[in-house]
Amino acid sequence: SQQGEEDPQALSIQEGENATMNCSYKTSINNLQWYRQNSGRGLVHLILIRSNEREKHSGRLRVTLDTSKKSSSLLITASRAADTASYFCATPHYFGNEKLTFGTGTRLTIIP
Amino acid sequence: GAVVSQHPSWVICKSGTSVKIECRSLDFQATTMFWYRQFPKQSLMLMATSNEGSKATYEQGVEKDKFLINHASLTLSTLTVTSAHPEDSSFYICSARERRFGWDNEQFFGPGTRLTVL
Repeated sequence: SQQGEEDPQALSIQEGENATMNCSYKTSINNLQWYRQNSGRGLVHLILIRSNEREKHSGRLRVTLDTSKKSSSLLITASRAADTASYFCATPHYFGNEKLTFGTGTRLTIIP
Repeated sequence: GAVVSQHPSWVICKSGTSVKIECRSLDFQATTMFWYRQFPKQSLMLMATSNEGSKATYEQGVEKDKFLINHASLTLSTLTVTSAHPEDSSFYICSARERRFGWDNEQFFGPGTRLTVL
């Protein structure tokens, strides 16, 4: 399977704390994306980081990418109850391909 | 912008019937639309890729005669689950890719359709 893995599978933290989740992938990529999915809903695109970037910020989100290790991390700072969701990383099936392979996901629960 | 709708949001049907799910890009033209299946607490599995005016490309293991995909226009794709059986019960999600993104393959997702086959 080409599916990437995410770590941890589940994470529970107190509101206000930072949440970090990691993603490992298998193919050569031109970019990596992170998506959020609220329970029973579709996915929302959070951020895209290109293969020539090492770090990217968007609001309370910080994404890093290490292509040598084929890994990425998503940091959510100052977490809020509304951040409770599943988070998936996604990579192209192969370099430049439009199809995406999704990781196994991290279920994040923010405790008020 | 970049809104994708799906209809219906949920459907319950009897075994042996066919169910059609619509996916529409509301404010952009979708170069490509994708159909995914998701089981509870699992990740998304790509079923097929559809391009306007051409036949859909199915992933390995997905029965094309079982899951009929029609991409009639740049804003509409449909998935028909034919002769549905209980094992077809799942959460089906579509997504669309906008032409202008080029190499960036960001996809915009619909809200999903929960199919329950009795």
